[in-house]
Amino acid sequence: GAVVSQHPSRVICKSGTSVKIECRSLDFQATTMFWYRQFPKQSLMLMATSNEGSKATYEQGVEKDKFLINHASLTLSTLTVTSAHPEDSSFYICSASHFREARNEQFFGPGTRLTVL
Amino acid sequence: AQSVTQLGSHVSVSEGALVLLRCNYSSSVPPYLFWYVQYPNQGLQLLLKYTTGATLVKGINGFEAEFKKSETSFHLTKPSAHMSDAAEYFCAVSDRGTGKLIFGQGTELSVKP
Repeated sequence: GAVVSQHPSRVICKSGTSVKIECRSLDFQATTMFWYRQFPKQSLMLMATSNEGSKATYEQGVEKDKFLINHASLTLSTLTVTSAHPEDSSFYICSASHFREARNEQFFGPGTRLTVL
Repeated sequence: AQSVTQLGSHVSVSEGALVLLRCNYSSSVPPYLFWYVQYPNQGLQLLLKYTTGATLVKGINGFEAEFKKSETSFHLTKPSAHMSDAAEYFCAVSDRGTGKLIFGQGTELSVKP
């Protein structure tokens, strides 16, 4: 199956700093990447959808100036949490998809645990 | 709008017993349906999916699910639970136009020795 990686797997940062999370599709070209947030014992909440070469589409209630998403190539998307605060601490998961080939199947990365002190 | 409801946030079975995790969906168009498994502090792994064709879908690790349009259901089953099946399971329906996945709230499966 298709492989998606995330880096870093864990990050601890101080309040007010910015953190960048990378999501890479290792063996296929991802036309679309998705970013999710997951709180403990809860389901995944879609934050935004990014298509290669275009601006991300954010879900209602997600601050686009706080969660900057870039999808510069068919294998890389980044999520930058700007001016992080303790309430941004969460598990962030990305997924990648190639619509025409995968019939809407998304391949998930292993997740990034963000802790803001 | 599409939606997914998973009945039971927590299911507990004994090792060797039948596993049944329930999922009902709502969709105005023929759905693409998925079951994912998540182990602690990990991403999601696809167990199986239904797009078109045969309504009984077999997946990895001995799991299978049956798409029942009349009941708008896509329940996940496994004949004999193993300790390693203990995890969180998510049912999802896909928006064909955007590719977005709409997830159910998840069901935590516990397996007792």
